[in-house]
Amino acid sequence: GQNIDQPTEMTATEGAIVQINCTYQTSGFNGLFWYQQHAGEAPTFLSYNVLDGLEEKGRFSSFLSRSKGYSYLLLKELQMKDSASYLCAAMDSNYQLIWGAGTKLIIKP
Amino acid sequence: GAVVSQHPSRVICKSGTSVKIECRSLDFQATTMFWYRQFPKQSLMLMATSNEGSKATYEQGVEKDKFLINHASLTLSTLTVTSAHPEDSSFYICSARRGEVSNEQFFGPGTRLTVL
Repeated sequence: GQNIDQPTEMTATEGAIVQINCTYQTSGFNGLFWYQQHAGEAPTFLSYNVLDGLEEKGRFSSFLSRSKGYSYLLLKELQMKDSASYLCAAMDSNYQLIWGAGTKLIIKP
Repeated sequence: GAVVSQHPSRVICKSGTSVKIECRSLDFQATTMFWYRQFPKQSLMLMATSNEGSKATYEQGVEKDKFLINHASLTLSTLTVTSAHPEDSSFYICSARRGEVSNEQFFGPGTRLTVL
């Protein structure tokens, strides 16, 4: 079957760095997405990885290892506004997104 | 950019009524649109995939006759919740894929449905 695993909740301090891990199992693979979702709002796109390695975009970076079925989202210089849920989603061979349950990130001052 | 709009953003209705939610791709043609439902503190649940001009493909457990989807044009898909009940209260989100085979999927802002 298809499955995405990510931690339910994480807590970090303002200004620090946090890494949110995601493991996936899909029928075929067409990339790994990370989305940010604030309470009561729709998800917004953060990153897309289809090749192994690290993609850096400002304070956010995303890493992919296809052989390990593993990705992480790295957030640097955390700000209070980064408090949100972070959704990991893998795209299968039919170009359908398989969603994780999301990681709620709590930022403390 | 690629913008997807949804209307209405919030709707409150009485049990037994039907509610229509519109999803529009404003600046691109969306051959495929997706409808998701999200309950509080849970992840997105794909309800159905709709392709322009053809019948929607529903996920297992989603009632076709209750959640009517029409993808009449390359920029508009509608979801009608028929005979809504309180358990249908949820956050409904659409997304649109640009092009025939594309990894780009853009989300609408969502519609909060409350059934009294």
